[in-house]
Amino acid sequence: EPEVTQTPSHQVTQMGQEVILRCVPISNHLYFYWYRQILGQKVEFLVSFYNNEISEKSEIFDDQFSVERPDGSNFTLKIRSTKLEDSAMYFCASSNQRGLDTQYFGPGTRLTVL
Amino acid sequence: GESVGLHLPTLSVQEGDNSIINCAYSNSASDYFIWYKQESGKGPQFIIDIRSNMDKRQGQRVTVLLNKTVKHLSLQIAATQPGDSAVYFCAEKGQGDSWGKLQFGAGTQVVVTP
Repeated sequence: EPEVTQTPSHQVTQMGQEVILRCVPISNHLYFYWYRQILGQKVEFLVSFYNNEISEKSEIFDDQFSVERPDGSNFTLKIRSTKLEDSAMYFCASSNQRGLDTQYFGPGTRLTVL
Repeated sequence: GESVGLHLPTLSVQEGDNSIINCAYSNSASDYFIWYKQESGKGPQFIIDIRSNMDKRQGQRVTVLLNKTVKHLSLQIAATQPGDSAVYFCAEKGQGDSWGKLQFGAGTQVVVTP
C-alpha cells in the first residue's frame, strides 16, 4: 500500500540553524501539506501546496518557513533560522484531490532545537 | 469562529467492550469530517470519514455518527482491542479557500485494559 515517507525521523539542531525536512508524498497525489504537533498538543496546519505554489498558509508559517517541490517526488519544508519553539513533530501529508479527499500522513520528523 | 473540540481527554475501556469517542464542532457549514488514530510516535492514520449529507457511516469495527442538529459527531469502535489504544482525533475539513486545511480537535486518549 503506498504511503507517505519522511526523513529524517529525528533532527537535532542548534537555535539559529537552518533545517530542511523532507517528504516523499504518495506518487499519484497532487496536493501536499505540512502540519506540526508540539508535544502533547493537537496537530496544527502549516501550509498547503498545489501546482508548485502555496495554496494556503497558517499564521505559524511565517517568513522563516518555506516549502519546495524540487523534483517530481520530494516535498520539503525549510526553516531558515530555528527557534526553541520550533521543536515539534512535523508531519507531511498528501491527497489526490482537493476538497473532500482524504489526506494521508507520513510518520513525522521530530525536530529538537537546542 | 470555527472550532473542533473533544469532550473527554482520556477514555479507559475494557478489552472487548465498545468505545465511543465524541467530538463537537461549531461551524454549521462544515461538510466533511475525518477521524484519525495516532499511535505513540507515529503520524495520524486515517480511520473513517463522513460527509454532511450522511448521518452514519460504517467501516471495519468502526462507525461514525453525525448529528448536524447539535453539531456533534462520534466514533464507535466495536469490540475494542489492545491495538486500539491510541489518541483519536476528529478533524474538520476547511471550505472555500481553506479547502486543504484540516482543523484538528484536541484528541482523546483511549486506553484499553485487559
